Amino acid sequence: GAVVSQHPSWVICKSGTSVKIECRSLDFQATTMFWYRQFPKQSLMLMATSNEGSKATYEQGVEKDKFLINHASLTLSTLTVTSAHPEDSSFYICSAREGRLAGGGTQYFGPGTRLLVL
Amino acid sequence: EDQVTQSPEALRLQEGESSSLNCSYTVSGLRGLFWYRQDPGKGPEFLFTLYSAGEEKEKERLKATLTKKESFLHITAPKPEDSATYLCAVRPGGGSQGNLIFGKGTKLSVKP
Repeated sequence: GAVVSQHPSWVICKSGTSVKIECRSLDFQATTMFWYRQFPKQSLMLMATSNEGSKATYEQGVEKDKFLINHASLTLSTLTVTSAHPEDSSFYICSAREGRLAGGGTQYFGPGTRLLVL
Repeated sequence: EDQVTQSPEALRLQEGESSSLNCSYTVSGLRGLFWYRQDPGKGPEFLFTLYSAGEEKEKERLKATLTKKESFLHITAPKPEDSATYLCAVRPGGGSQGNLIFGKGTKLSVKP
């Protein structure tokens, strides 16, 4: 089956530093990638949608200058949390949708990255 | 408004005790209903996609069915390793981008 990887799987950083998380689709091309955030015992919250070669679309309430998304190729998207603060601590999960059909295809998820900001 | 509701929120079963999880939805133009399994501290794992009413899919002890208003995930003779949170999501049609709308999940615990 389709595999999505994320790196790193967990990261601890000091307040004020920036953290970059990579998301790769290993065996398929993903025109569209997604970034989610999940708080304990809660469901997934979509942060942004990114299409290869174009700017990401952010959900309401998500600061685009704080969460920088780059979808540089059909297999790689990165999320950079800039000037991280303790309230940014969370579980971040990326997802990639296979296929080039607009809105079609199955969405596969990465294993997640746990971020702890001290 | 597009909406997904899963029930129950939590379900405790004895090993071998079959049951069903429900996913009710209201969506403008369904372009797919998806079931995922999520273990603690991990990303969701894809299970099934259903596209039209009457469609059924099976994988080991799991069987997913779809009607025009809801989907069921039937678990036959569950084992402790089936314990996880099961997420249902729909992809609306119409003029939307096709982003998934998730339910809050059903947390399944299977005791030996």
